[in-house]
Amino acid sequence: DQQVKQNSPSLSVQEGRISILNCDYTNSMFDYFLWYKKYPAEGPTFLISISSIKDKNEDGRFTVFLNKSAKHLSLHIVPSQPGDSAVYFCAASKGSSNTGKLIFGQGTTLQVKP
Amino acid sequence: KAGVTQTPRYLIKTRGQQVTLSCSPISGHRSVSWYQQTPGQGLQFLFEYFSETQRNKGNFPGRFSGRQFSNSRSEMNVSTLELGDSALYLCASSLEGPGGGNTIYFGEGSWLTVV
Repeated sequence: DQQVKQNSPSLSVQEGRISILNCDYTNSMFDYFLWYKKYPAEGPTFLISISSIKDKNEDGRFTVFLNKSAKHLSLHIVPSQPGDSAVYFCAASKGSSNTGKLIFGQGTTLQVKP
Repeated sequence: KAGVTQTPRYLIKTRGQQVTLSCSPISGHRSVSWYQQTPGQGLQFLFEYFSETQRNKGNFPGRFSGRQFSNSRSEMNVSTLELGDSALYLCASSLEGPGGGNTIYFGEGSWLTVV
């Protein structure tokens, strides 16, 4: 049962354009969401997070949008840079028990072309 | 400040052997969790420790175990290794856990190959 889904395995965009990575979840108990960037054989690097009490969070070139009614979140990267090329994972947690358990999507490989 | 440190980075073991991986969390972080990443299954939660107690556990067999010490450092152990245990094992730390709005930070991982 895949509770967090990233339906696009890959995405290719031109440098300077917007990258939009999508993530859907099924568990309405999730109330905290995070995005990570990962290179092969390295640990995930935290990018940005959002609590379910918000619908948008912005940090520099990265913005995360949360649509609770649709159980959907998206990560926008503007402008995209070649160094952004990596695998992006969304993750979700149920915060009430305050645990360290994250449920990850399968990841989307972003390629930013110069 | 130093990040999450995992040792060893790479190791090769034989089927049937056991392995112990070590993790030092970010200073001040009390929650340590472990994840397994494989090409087929993605990132999967193994277990989480907080104040030396296992607070949550994923759906892995009992061959996978862990512990946390009073200084928050953690170890995980896999006994009777199987070929399918070959994976990148990631340790993550946070002040408490993501529910409180605290971010989880990952180490570089320990790459285990079982032959």
